[in-house]
Amino acid sequence: QQQVKQSPQSLIVQKGGISIINCAYENTAFDYFPWYQQFPGKGPALLIAIRPDVSEKKEGRFTISFNKSAKQFSLHIMDSQPGDSATYFCAASNSGSSYKLIFGSGTRLLVRP
Amino acid sequence: SQTIHQWPATLVQPVGSPLSLECTVEGTSNPNLYWYRQAAGRGLQLLFYSVGIGQISSEVPQNLSASRPQDRQFILSSKKLLLSDSGFYLCAWRPKATGPREKLFFGSGTQLSVL
Repeated sequence: QQQVKQSPQSLIVQKGGISIINCAYENTAFDYFPWYQQFPGKGPALLIAIRPDVSEKKEGRFTISFNKSAKQFSLHIMDSQPGDSATYFCAASNSGSSYKLIFGSGTRLLVRP
Repeated sequence: SQTIHQWPATLVQPVGSPLSLECTVEGTSNPNLYWYRQAAGRGLQLLFYSVGIGQISSEVPQNLSASRPQDRQFILSSKKLLLSDSGFYLCAWRPKATGPREKLFFGSGTQLSVL
């Protein structure tokens, strides 16, 4: 019940296209859903996050869509650029558990020029 | 500003040898500290977290241990490394009392290869 399932494992998109990464969770106590971006050899960095009281959050080309009833959330990268090529992790946490983040397995995104 | 230092960046160790990875945080006090492991092609697995000096919680039974001898210092150790301990180890911190409570800040990681 603590798992966060992420798909796809890898994704190839042409420059200018839309990249979509999906995550699903089981624990209804989760109340914070961030996405992290990781470049090779580096630690992950927070990209964008959402709370379950909203269905969508947009920051620039990055949008999180959240479906509370389906217990799913997704990251959309509009106008994907080669510089977006990285590994993306979804995560979830429960404010009642010392804010431990449970991560998905990651999606390796490659944006072709 | 706050910074997190993690070293070494890469480490190659023989099976059965000891391990000590160190992480320090600057510019903040009383942070929550975390050790994560990222196996090749897999996600981030939480190994240990600490809410204060000497307070360590283990998430996964394993060959590793953690210690927090000072407020902003977090150490990951092993007495005898196994092949399965290979991976990318990440230290992270989170502010406790102020700022964005949930945001986790990661170090640059240590790539450990056990041969």
